[in-house]
Amino acid sequence: DQQVKQNSPSLSVQEGRISILNCDYTNSMFDYFLWYKKYPAEGPTFLISISSIKDKNEDGRFTVFLNKSAKHLSLHIVPSQPGDSAVYFCAASAGGTSYGKLTFGQGTILTVHP
Amino acid sequence: ETGVTQSPTHLIKTRGQQVTLRCSSQSGHNTVSWYQQALGQGPQFIFQYYREEENGRGNFPPRFSGLQFPNYSSELNVNALELDDSALYLCASSSPGYSGSPYEQYFGPGTRLTVT
Repeated sequence: DQQVKQNSPSLSVQEGRISILNCDYTNSMFDYFLWYKKYPAEGPTFLISISSIKDKNEDGRFTVFLNKSAKHLSLHIVPSQPGDSAVYFCAASAGGTSYGKLTFGQGTILTVHP
Repeated sequence: ETGVTQSPTHLIKTRGQQVTLRCSSQSGHNTVSWYQQALGQGPQFIFQYYREEENGRGNFPPRFSGLQFPNYSSELNVNALELDDSALYLCASSSPGYSGSPYEQYFGPGTRLTVT
């Protein structure tokens, strides 16, 4: 039962263009969503998050959009840089006593070409 | 500020053996979560410890157990190792009262366990 899904295993983008990574979820109890970036031989690094009371959150080049009715979120990276090449995971939390339990998607490998 | 550290980096064990993995949480964090990441998959929640008590558990059998110490460091113990236990084990720390969201967890580099 995959409650968080990232249906694109990989994405290839040219430097300077926009990267859009997508994530779908099924559990309506999820109320907080996060994106993590992972380089080889390192642990996931927190990137950006969004609460279910918002539909957009920006941090520099990174913007996360949440569509609750569609149970869909996306991460936009503008402009994309070669250093952004990594595996990106979306994660969700149900809050309350479950806030510490993150449910992750399978990840999307982003490659940004110079 | 010290980040999350884990030891050892790599480990090779034989099926049926027992293993202990260690984690030191980020300074100021009192909550530690453990995740298992199989090859090509996202991390899967094993359990969480808050103030030395287990505070939530994922779909893992009882042979996966843990401890948290007064200094908030933590251990993950796995008994009767199976081949499918081969994975990257990640430790993450967080703190309900810390700046930022309590949902945000900060991960260590992981321990790569291989069971043969």
